[in-house]
Amino acid sequence: RKEVEQDPGPFNVPEGATVAFNCTYSNSASQSFFWYRQDCRKEPKLLMSVYSSGNEDGRFTAQLNRASQYISLLIRDSKLSDSATYLCVVNGPQAGTALIFGKGTTLSVSS
Amino acid sequence: DADVTQTPRNRITKTGKRIMLECSQTKGHDRMYWYRQDPGLGLRLIYYSFDVKDINKGEISDGYSVSRQAQAKFSLSLESAIPNQTALYFCATSDPRTGVAEQYFGPGTRLTVT
Repeated sequence: RKEVEQDPGPFNVPEGATVAFNCTYSNSASQSFFWYRQDCRKEPKLLMSVYSSGNEDGRFTAQLNRASQYISLLIRDSKLSDSATYLCVVNGPQAGTALIFGKGTTLSVSS
Repeated sequence: DADVTQTPRNRITKTGKRIMLECSQTKGHDRMYWYRQDPGLGLRLIYYSFDVKDINKGEISDGYSVSRQAQAKFSLSLESAIPNQTALYFCATSDPRTGVAEQYFGPGTRLTVT
């Protein structure tokens, strides 16, 4: 099982749609979870952290299920500007090591 | 001005050449990282450094070396470039006081080895 797995997509949705991305991770000892956003040929940027209790930032909601080792990102009322690749990110197996990035899920929002 | 800068932004080089990619940051972060990104493979860690005296190999360090010249500078070298090192290279920094959490990436260097 790969360390962080995501459905690569692409997800093609119309403006206003709700779309959900899923991610699974293999290391049950992981403690930190994030979603990063990467625009085409640009650097990744932190979108939001994912907390055990779930968290929301405007149209974006992230959830974590530790028992299933599963992370999700929900985007409501999609905008054209949401078109990007979304990277699921988990901290490494050893304390203090760098992050492990999923390969990303591509979202394309059309008018 | 950008907090994390990379030079060059684009480079085409020939097989066997030595090349250095440079990263500078003004964020005052102790931790710095080098990643490469290939289509379909995602971001993979090459080397990371938690302070000037600390260098660690990442997932794919073979064929690469690094130098942490100062807190603000972290360079990646390809001693003898080969075509499968063609990729997009990113430098990143993080602040240990906030944990590994947020990494700040430079704009990337697109390297082509012919």
